[in-house]
Amino acid sequence: QLQLQESGPGLVKPSETLSLTCTVSGGSISSSSYYWGWIRQPPGKGLEWIGSIYYSGSTYYNPSLKSRVTISVDTSKNQFSLKLSSVTAADTAVYYCARRGIAAARWEDYWGQGTLVTVSS
Amino acid sequence: DIQMTQSPSSLSASVGDRVTITCQASQDISNYLNWYQQKPGKAPKLLIYDASNLETGVPSRFSGSGSGTDFTFTISSLQPEDIATYYCQQYDNLPRVTFGGGTKVEIK
Repeated sequence: QLQLQESGPGLVKPSETLSLTCTVSGGSISSSSYYWGWIRQPPGKGLEWIGSIYYSGSTYYNPSLKSRVTISVDTSKNQFSLKLSSVTAADTAVYYCARRGIAAARWEDYWGQGTLVTVSS
Repeated sequence: DIQMTQSPSSLSASVGDRVTITCQASQDISNYLNWYQQKPGKAPKLLIYDASNLETGVPSRFSGSGSGTDFTFTISSLQPEDIATYYCQQYDNLPRVTFGGGTKVEIK
């Protein structure tokens, strides 16, 4: 059974960089059939796609966040990571990592449990 | 960017009622639309894919329809366990996706 688990600081200061890692277990991140992505949800609000990465390292970002986002993959550790720079209180959210199919099953079929990141001094 | 307008933002209905949620895309997305259910404190769960296909294991009271720009999600007979927030999601240009604003469904 595939599992995804987010990890990283739960509290980040304004103007600093938010860093999260998603560890994939029970399957390989190097599959050619999937994208690996980050989605966030501010408290009491809706879902926002942040960006995705392919195992080869190709990245795709939400245009509204593109200037501040970097997603990377480490296939040797079966992990992918998110960095969001210059954070403000508006970046306070539950951050989910998820797997999405490319050809068949073009949806998020596995999600992490989500991790709350609060931006506050 | 493709925008998804979902309505209503919330609704209250009685057990057994038929519930309908709509989602409108800002441009033609064919049938590249999914519907998710999210319960408090949990990750979203896929219910409907490609606008009208029921995910395996999902009760048949859930259904979806539409293509192009206008889509509908229906619960034919609302059950207490259906209390959740529902989101549409377009995937016309993978892996870039956009979610609707969500519809919170409550029991009257």
